[in-house]
Amino acid sequence: AQSVAQPEDQVNVAEGNPLTVKCTYSVSGNPYLFWYVQYPNRGLQFLLKYITGDNLVKGSYGFEAEFNKSQTSFHLKKPSALVSDSALYFCVFNAGNNRKLIWGLGTSLAVNP
Amino acid sequence: NAGVTQTPKFRVLKTGQSMTLLCAQDMNHEYMYWYRQDPGMGLRLIHYSVGEGTTAKGEVPDGYNVSRLKKQNFLLGLESAAPSQTSVYFCASSRTKGDGADTQYFGPGTRLTVL
Repeated sequence: AQSVAQPEDQVNVAEGNPLTVKCTYSVSGNPYLFWYVQYPNRGLQFLLKYITGDNLVKGSYGFEAEFNKSQTSFHLKKPSALVSDSALYFCVFNAGNNRKLIWGLGTSLAVNP
Repeated sequence: NAGVTQTPKFRVLKTGQSMTLLCAQDMNHEYMYWYRQDPGMGLRLIHYSVGEGTTAKGEVPDGYNVSRLKKQNFLLGLESAAPSQTSVYFCASSRTKGDGADTQYFGPGTRLTVL
């Protein structure tokens, strides 16, 4: 079955340190992978996506993600975390048509001042 | 350009009552979606629409109905609310059918409590 997994429920990082939020996927064929962020009491915002091409994808707010086909991973990264990055992050993939997004369960990121 | 908007933002219903959630988008998107978000379960697709006048079932359609009479609006109805429908509801839209590459843009959500 096609799925996406976020192995960490919560990630804690100090402000100014690099952050990584992990995502692995299991899908046949070529996946389209997305990261969304949900700030407290707000809607979901699109951060970035991988469709094809360069494995390193740059997105909003200084975030980037690296698509690694051999490890079936799409980890979200940022070189220097901000307290305002504290939010819930979702890894999502599209199963080949625009009707079906498969969502990870989310990783809560806490950036400590 | 407001993007995707949802009304109301909050609602409390009693079991058996009905209500309609309204989603509107001003991006001229073809596709629209309704999701529910529950703790520990991620987002689940309730219904979606691939264009004006068309709707289709998602993963968890039972207890909900939808209509897309105008391209910019997508309505989600609960005919007889149940406590299991307590959730946060998100509407989303995307540009075109695509091949899965199109980004879905989300509204701010509606927090519904059914007592």
